[in-house]
Amino acid sequence: DQQVKQNSPSLSVQEGRISILNCDYTNSMFDYFLWYKKYPAEGPTFLISISSIKDKNEDGRFTVFLNKSAKHLSLHIVPSQPGDSAVYFCAAASTNDYKLSFGAGTTVTVRA
Amino acid sequence: EAQVTQNPRYLITVTGKKLTVTCSQNMNHEYMSWYRQDPGLGLRQIYYSMNVEVTDKGDVPEGYKVSRKEKRNFPLILESPSPNQTSLYFCASRRTGLIEKLFFGSGTQLSVL
Repeated sequence: DQQVKQNSPSLSVQEGRISILNCDYTNSMFDYFLWYKKYPAEGPTFLISISSIKDKNEDGRFTVFLNKSAKHLSLHIVPSQPGDSAVYFCAAASTNDYKLSFGAGTTVTVRA
Repeated sequence: EAQVTQNPRYLITVTGKKLTVTCSQNMNHEYMSWYRQDPGLGLRQIYYSMNVEVTDKGDVPEGYKVSRKEKRNFPLILESPSPNQTSLYFCASRRTGLIEKLFFGSGTQLSVL
């Protein structure tokens, strides 16, 4: 059973607007959360992370929000750019074992 | 350049014909891992290795073997491939404990007919 779920397989957004990607998890032991970005014919690359002691982490145009009580996190991309078109994977781990569990991914398409 | 190199990039084979996908990293990482990516399922871990001669099962190890005789190499072996092993495979490596610094290879697209 998947412990990390991304319920939106795809998202289309206009250039300059905000992209919001959602992720839910079920395992209460998860205390570290990451987003990876993947372009076609390439491996995933690390984008941004957040520890469970925080509820927000920003890195330039990317912000991750964590709601521990709801077991939910989201990635905001503002403003969206054509180069942001990619598959985004949500991942979670417990710092007890650092074993990553990945979601199914959300394909983002940024329209010019 | 720091990288994880997988070969081949594409492979078409037939049921039952043994194959090996190679993975090599040049970053002196202790930890290496294999994942498979399937539509709707995301990335699932097959096997991982915490260091030389130490390997352990991930979430979907059935039908796969690995070995870690050297720190830089972590081959994935399919002794008798079956069509349900058709998938996109990724090798990854990182230093022990640095969960964010997980470097992925470019992937191997395997088709088993």
